[in-house]
Amino acid sequence: KAGVTQTPRYLIKTRGQQVTLSCSPISGHRSVSWYQQTPGQGLQFLFEYFSETQRNKGNFPGRFSGRQFSNSRSEMNVSTLELGDSALYLCASSFGQGNTEAFFGQGTRLTVV
Amino acid sequence: QKEVEQDPGPLSVPEGAIVSLNCTYSNSAFQYFMWYRQYSRKGPELLMYTYSSGNKEDGRFTAQVDKSSKYISLFIRDSQPSDSATYLCAMTRGNAGGTSYGKLTFGQGTILTVHP
Repeated sequence: KAGVTQTPRYLIKTRGQQVTLSCSPISGHRSVSWYQQTPGQGLQFLFEYFSETQRNKGNFPGRFSGRQFSNSRSEMNVSTLELGDSALYLCASSFGQGNTEAFFGQGTRLTVV
Repeated sequence: QKEVEQDPGPLSVPEGAIVSLNCTYSNSAFQYFMWYRQYSRKGPELLMYTYSSGNKEDGRFTAQVDKSSKYISLFIRDSQPSDSATYLCAMTRGNAGGTSYGKLTFGQGTILTVHP
């Protein structure tokens, strides 16, 4: 059974650009959540999608957005990148809504220069 | 003050030792408690989850939750060098029906090294 797949694994972007990250959940999982991991702040919740609807949102500016498709795949977008957006972005999938058993992907390492 | 506090360590133990990892939290609404292991350059891997108070054992791992003290622990018996990783506690709200809500709140993670 394939795990959570995130693409790309690594990205380097310039300040002011925008970026789109992709997440394919485990087959049959309908809930996808996104997290930002940095050395200073640790893992912080960005948002959760279930059945193509955003169900929860963390305390991040509007530059961070996401969506989920009918096949449960999800994308997150960050516009007008700032140096502080450099982080490991992690996607987690779970079968139902909520994160009782959430399985994480390998993450996308974003570096903003 | 963070909702979940976890000592970042680092913690260094000899192979075979019993390791105790702990987190405290302030939000009494938390009902589901999880432990993740994260190796360098990898995503977090779910080790154990428990609902409300009590103990849960899985092989060399035992998770304990004491809601009255807002304190959770993970014990690793017979630790191995392959256990060297960052251990993250996480928790989320839930209801009496057993449905958890999204948004896992994580501790900072404890860096563990088990040396041969």
